Amino acid sequence: GAVVSQHPSRVICKSGTSVKIECRSLDFQATTMFWYRQFPKQSLMLMATSNEGSKATYEQGVEKDKFLINHASLTLSTLTVTSAHPEDSSFYICSATPLAGVWNEQFFGPGTRLTVL
Amino acid sequence: QQQVKQSPQSLIVQKGGISIINCAYENTAFDYFPWYQQFPGKGPALLIAIRPDVSEKKEGRFTISFNKSAKQFSLHIMDSQPGDSATYFCAAPSGNTGKLIFGQGTTLQVKP
Repeated sequence: GAVVSQHPSRVICKSGTSVKIECRSLDFQATTMFWYRQFPKQSLMLMATSNEGSKATYEQGVEKDKFLINHASLTLSTLTVTSAHPEDSSFYICSATPLAGVWNEQFFGPGTRLTVL
Repeated sequence: QQQVKQSPQSLIVQKGGISIINCAYENTAFDYFPWYQQFPGKGPALLIAIRPDVSEKKEGRFTISFNKSAKQFSLHIMDSQPGDSATYFCAAPSGNTGKLIFGQGTTLQVKP
């Protein structure tokens, strides 16, 4: 149980294009989904917190117009990197907290490797 | 803002040995402290978690020890195996938002 999927697993795009990453909780409904970014050999940096039907809450320093988050249902959240540039290249990981689970418990997706040329 | 300090940054252990990773957190009234395991190119996987109403929790070869007064908790991996070679992250709650703040990570290498 508690499986989270992400799609795509890997994406390469040209500078200036937009990329959408999907995060789905496959066998549970999620109260909250989180988006992280991780650089090589570094820890996870929380970008934003998203609840179904609400606007996402972004962490300080994260550009909300750059990283658009849509939380359409209790099982799906999307992150769109708009007008991507090489510095946006990173490993993006989502997580989800089950509706019927332990507060603060987060299950992670497998991650999406974004490379912007 | 919650801060979590994790040590050591890297650890090399012989097969069959005990791996110990430590975390320290700041003031918190919340009650959930997890450890995650991450392999290269993969997302973190929840390994084990503890609530501070107990001082220790064991699942198989993995044990969390919790010291509430010192605001510290540690992960012990008994009989470490080469397959345990990964990066381990501790985390602590931040506020009442469901957010977790992660430690800096510990890269464990278990030598055969």
